[in-house]
Amino acid sequence: ILNVEQSPQSLHVQEGDSTNFTCSFPSSNFYALHWYRWETAKSPEALFVMTLNGDEKKKGRISATLNTKEGYSYLYIKGSQPEDSATYLCVRDYKLSFGAGTTVTVRA
Amino acid sequence: DAGITQSPRHKVTETGTPVTLRCHQTENHRYMYWYRQDPGHGLRLIHYSYGVKDTDKGEVSDGYSVSRSKTEDFLLTLESATSSQTSVYFCAISDRTERNTGELFFGEGSRLTVL
Repeated sequence: ILNVEQSPQSLHVQEGDSTNFTCSFPSSNFYALHWYRWETAKSPEALFVMTLNGDEKKKGRISATLNTKEGYSYLYIKGSQPEDSATYLCVRDYKLSFGAGTTVTVRA
Repeated sequence: DAGITQSPRHKVTETGTPVTLRCHQTENHRYMYWYRQDPGHGLRLIHYSYGVKDTDKGEVSDGYSVSRSKTEDFLLTLESATSSQTSVYFCAISDRTERNTGELFFGEGSRLTVL
């Protein structure tokens, strides 16, 4: 992998369901992986900054895991709520260019 | 909220004219970045700065130049705007360590339309 890739590009979730999606990145010379949440008409806001292989971080119903050896991170949303609707971006450290994001839409 | 101000917030200009966007911070963060947001691409890095007068190119730097004469200000200039530069531009700052662990704080964005 040469660049940061996120999948799926979009997903629709029923309120109350849990979901997860992936960020894949080059694993060589890894320093840190960031996750950001971007709501429509707002600016991106940081969720997590992860640096160590095996890291797990949690903020409310949202959590993330990190595998630096194979170059991927998962973001999990437990019990999705309409306010979780947003685009979730990940970015690796090298020159800090982002993946295209996963847009989550939670249906009530 | 991190003190980041972008100006102008909205601008319409014509092809071939110069345009300068300003990013001003009150956080004294060392690192400043300019991104552009385009459908299907997320945020792409244009240029970044790691200190006064220290700048480097991002992945989409062609057609853009930057300057940072003071810690608090990072200017993005389009010398001769083209329609392909129509986009929303975001400034971000971070107090990152050498290992890029500092989170980014974003400005509110500047919408540029080039006719």
